[in-house]
Amino acid sequence: NAGVTQTPKFRVLKTGQSMTLLCAQDMNHEYMYWYRQDPGMGLRLIHYSVGEGTTAKGEVPDGYNVSRLKKQNFLLGLESAAPSQTSVYFCASRPAVGREYFGPGTRLTVT
Amino acid sequence: AQSVTQPDIHITVSEGASLELRCNYSYGATPYLFWYVQSPGQGLQLLLKYFSGDTLVQGIKGFEAEFKRSQSSFNLRKPSVHWSDAAEYFCAVGAGAGGYQKVTFGTGTKLQVIP
Repeated sequence: NAGVTQTPKFRVLKTGQSMTLLCAQDMNHEYMYWYRQDPGMGLRLIHYSVGEGTTAKGEVPDGYNVSRLKKQNFLLGLESAAPSQTSVYFCASRPAVGREYFGPGTRLTVT
Repeated sequence: AQSVTQPDIHITVSEGASLELRCNYSYGATPYLFWYVQSPGQGLQLLLKYFSGDTLVQGIKGFEAEFKRSQSSFNLRKPSVHWSDAAEYFCAVGAGAGGYQKVTFGTGTKLQVIP
């Protein structure tokens, strides 16, 4: 039982490049979340999903897209990266009733 | 809209001393409240949560927190800090089913422990 895993752990992008962050969970959780964490800002919710095939916007969705084609995976895409998207990205999942489990994070730098 | 304020950005305590981290929340109804800890380079780990009932909540690693509705506070305490407690601590307020549907985090308090 690996819990919540995130791929990659680190990435450096140039402005305008695209990439996809992968979050995978093996706990059969319904809910999945993508957060970003910036110094002095705490965690802010980007997008979330309440089940396979569904997604919803969080607090800071602009510049990001997500997909939940399989229950165990939640993908976060950046179509055209900007320096303002330099951050640490955390994925989390949880069952219908119960607490969140967080992944280890992905550190993204956009130059 | 719900919100959380953690007024202390950094706190330094000596090992063995007591600790209190402050958290104030804003929420229209009875809140679901959480404290998380984040060690350097790691994800967040839930320390404790308050949903209802006893206002003094016990958590893991010897932490406790007290819910005070009159002060809109949910301060985290530990009687004797260990060097391994050095980390960043986040207070959060939740809404929706079970309190987990929409969780708003505070900006965090970074704890330094000195020998």
